[in-house]
Amino acid sequence: DGGITQSPKYLFRKEGQNVTLSCEQNLNHDAMYWYRQDPGQGLRLIYYSQIVNDFQKGDIAEGYSVSREKKESFPLTVTSAQKNPTAFYLCASTPGQGWETQYFGPGTRLLVL
Amino acid sequence: GEDVEQSLFLSVREGDSSVINCTYTDSSSTYLYWYKQEPGAGLQLLTYIFSNMDMKQDQRLTVLLNKKDKHLSLRIADTQTGDSAIYFCAERLPGSTLGRLYFGRGTQLTVWP
Repeated sequence: DGGITQSPKYLFRKEGQNVTLSCEQNLNHDAMYWYRQDPGQGLRLIYYSQIVNDFQKGDIAEGYSVSREKKESFPLTVTSAQKNPTAFYLCASTPGQGWETQYFGPGTRLLVL
Repeated sequence: GEDVEQSLFLSVREGDSSVINCTYTDSSSTYLYWYKQEPGAGLQLLTYIFSNMDMKQDQRLTVLLNKKDKHLSLRIADTQTGDSAIYFCAERLPGSTLGRLYFGRGTQLTVWP
């Protein structure tokens, strides 16, 4: 049963704390993406990775970090430098060929205590 | 590719047709996509169209593309309450980073019984 999984579904962060959101895919896709979604603002790209051990900043990378040590995994860390982290975070992947588009995970909602 | 525009809200009665509109700025776009997002969930691909096509039909969904005006629309026939969701259009540019998409802000469709 192929797909993208994200965990946890809900995550709470205390002030000054780093938290890590998990994203795993078993679709054998090369490229993976992290988006942030705020009400009425659509999706904004945080980071993306085209290949293992390589990643690039998206449009709103400040306060976030990622790693891509394995093809199937692309975790996102929300650092204490991100002053407004409350949002819905979506992970996506794509083989990137032809018309093939991005396939999305179910999302993680991050809330600040 | 960064200015994909959509109206934010649309309300229709059950059984009517819904038309969701989108404008994009890059005339060299290759593929254009429509996604659906239900509350608290990830994005689900509904359909896509290649930029050399004018129309694509898939069951209750009809996509129309006006390349001259850079206008994309999604028509949902016989709209049902289960169609209530946020609909995103997205464009993929030729030569863009592997699979990168640019999204509109989403249109909230509300279907009244």
